[in-house]
Amino acid sequence: AQSVSQHNHHVILSEAASLELGCNYSYGGTVNLFWYVQYPGQHLQLLLKYFSGDPLVKGIKGFEAEFIKSKFSFNLRKPSVQWSDTAEYFCAVISGNTGKLIFGQGTTLQVKP
Amino acid sequence: GAVVSQHPSWVICKSGTSVKIECRSLDFQATTMFWYRQFPKQSLMLMATSNEGSKATYEQGVEKDKFLINHASLTLSTLTVTSAHPEDSSFYICSAIYSGSKDEQYFGPGTRLTVT
Repeated sequence: AQSVSQHNHHVILSEAASLELGCNYSYGGTVNLFWYVQYPGQHLQLLLKYFSGDPLVKGIKGFEAEFIKSKFSFNLRKPSVQWSDTAEYFCAVISGNTGKLIFGQGTTLQVKP
Repeated sequence: GAVVSQHPSWVICKSGTSVKIECRSLDFQATTMFWYRQFPKQSLMLMATSNEGSKATYEQGVEKDKFLINHASLTLSTLTVTSAHPEDSSFYICSAIYSGSKDEQYFGPGTRLTVT
């Protein structure tokens, strides 16, 4: 079965620290990749997405992610986090043959001021 | 643009009763709507996919007679939890796509259901 794995369940950083959240997926065919963020008490918002083209994708609020096909990975990065980045982050994948969005377990990011 | 709303945002009901949750696309016509369930500190699990005017497609393990989905129009889908039990307590989230959204789903704010 297709799956998405996020390695970090709970990350605590100080402001200005760099962030990298890991995401690996199991499907070997064509995939569309997403990172969503869920701020406390708010709905899921799209941070960035990859469909094709440049594997380095830039999203909102200074986030970026790199698609490495050989590693089945789509890690999320931000060079300098802010307290306002405290949220739950979800990696998600749509595989070509199902059209279904499969979510990773989520990573709770806590940024200390 | 592409705003999805849900109503109610939270609901408490007694065991054995039914609860209806609405999902609306406010500024676009949704070709497809999805219903997810999210347990505390866990990921979103797809429950069902619905298209306007047709029966919903349920994921394996989801009881279609318990979780009734009606997609009456291009802007409204409803999820009815019938004969609710405490184990149905969860966060229910809907999402929607339109013809030009290219697999990007737009999520509602979710509905917190507590069954006592």
